[in-house]
Amino acid sequence: GEDVEQSLFLSVREGDSSVINCTYTDSSSTYLYWYKQEPGAGLQLLTYIFSNMDMKQDQRLTVLLNKKDKHLSLRIADTQTGDSAIYFCAELLSGGSYIPTFGRGTSLIVHP
Amino acid sequence: DADVTQTPRNRITKTGKRIMLECSQTKGHDRMYWYRQDPGLGLRLIYYSFDVKDINKGEISDGYSVSRQAQAKFSLSLESAIPNQTALYFCATSDSGRVNEQFFGPGTRLTVL
Repeated sequence: GEDVEQSLFLSVREGDSSVINCTYTDSSSTYLYWYKQEPGAGLQLLTYIFSNMDMKQDQRLTVLLNKKDKHLSLRIADTQTGDSAIYFCAELLSGGSYIPTFGRGTSLIVHP
Repeated sequence: DADVTQTPRNRITKTGKRIMLECSQTKGHDRMYWYRQDPGLGLRLIYYSFDVKDINKGEISDGYSVSRQAQAKFSLSLESAIPNQTALYFCATSDSGRVNEQFFGPGTRLTVL
């Protein structure tokens, strides 16, 4: 996961917005993903963005991609306690094995 | 019913024992993967298989082996378990589409004493 970096923890208050950040090193990314892992479960794809897009919005989720800075972010509006989970950033490179590379995951803690 | 299942869900074993973790899927996907998850280290790829006759090493394959018995089944073996193989193990599947969304099983928590 050293090619994809995320901070390990984020704590927010219920109702606030959460912003989880990710940086990646390879400019040949085709897709970038956010996966969510709830306690005791496997990862599940939350959203993804194609590399020729700058932004994608899906209900409370907003993904921003800054290709120049190789920076990806996930904004969760009106964060709820049910959003408490580990969020993994991942990138898919063109060529090679075509398998996503995952970051270390950011634990989001939502407190009342 | 879950699309990707793993057995066992939890296992405690001793150093030197042989362990097999099994994965089955009903998604009809050709591609299957084994990952391990360690706190603070994220997800690391152990082995992957793009079809029944294809097996490839991932970034941390030492100490592990796999078998792809059928399109739906992919098992991971630890020939002689050691304590630093204590981790959470995930099986995943994907189709061959461009997005390559991965579908994960619920995980197997393995403890090697």
